[in-house]
Amino acid sequence: QVQLVESGGGVVQPGRSLRLSCAASGFAFTDFGMHWARQAPGKGLEWVAVIGHDGNIERYADSVKGRFTISRDNSKNRLYLQMDSLRAEDTALYYCAKGYHTVTHWGQGIRVSVSS
Amino acid sequence: QSALTQPPSASGSPGQSVTISCTGTSSDVGAYNYVSWYQQHPGKAPKLIIYEVTKRASGVPDRFSGSKSGNTASLTVSGLQADDEADYYCSSYEGINNLGVFGTGTKVSVL
Repeated sequence: QVQLVESGGGVVQPGRSLRLSCAASGFAFTDFGMHWARQAPGKGLEWVAVIGHDGNIERYADSVKGRFTISRDNSKNRLYLQMDSLRAEDTALYYCAKGYHTVTHWGQGIRVSVSS
Repeated sequence: QSALTQPPSASGSPGQSVTISCTGTSSDVGAYNYVSWYQQHPGKAPKLIIYEVTKRASGVPDRFSGSKSGNTASLTVSGLQADDEADYYCSSYEGINNLGVFGTGTKVSVL
C-alpha cells in the first residue's frame, strides 16, 4: 500500500533554513506528481508546492515563492522541501502528498515550528 | 490565491443528509473538473473522498456524492453516521498559479 513518511521537521529560529524529506513506497514514484501541503495550528489546509513526475514542473504558493524549493530524487523515491528564510507564519504541520491534479494519499505530517 | 469559500459548519441528525458548498471563481472551480473533497478527523491526515467533481475514491461509500454548477461545487453526505463528524475541505486546480487551492473548511456535526 502507499506509504509516505515525512522527516526533518523541528524547531528553528526565524530566518534559518530547514529541509523536509518524504520517503515514498508502495507505488511507482516516477509516475506521479507530488505535493507539499501544510496546516497551521487550528487552521485550514494550504497547498505549498507541487512538482511534476519527472521534476520538470514546479509551482509554489505565493506565500512561499522565492523562499521554498521543492525537488525530488526518483532514484531514491524521495521528495524534498527546502525551506529558507523561515518566518513565524511558516509554523505548521507539513504533509507530503501523492498526485498532481488529484492528491490521493497523504503522509502523517511533520511539525515545523519557527520561533525565537 | 484566495481560498475557496465554504460554510464554517453544517450539521444533521443520524440518517439525515447534509450538503456543503464550495464557491470559487472562473479561474478554479468554474474552469476545471479537478475538484476534490477531503475528510479530516481531528489529529489525522486528510483523506480523499471525492475527486474530479463526482468520482468517489476507493472504499468510499456511495453515501458521499459530489456535483458542480458554474463556480460552485457541492458535497452531499446522505444517511449521516457518527463517523462522518469531521472537517471537510474542497480543493480545486487553479489556473493562474497552476497550483491547487483549498476551501476554508466545513466542520460537520452529527447531532
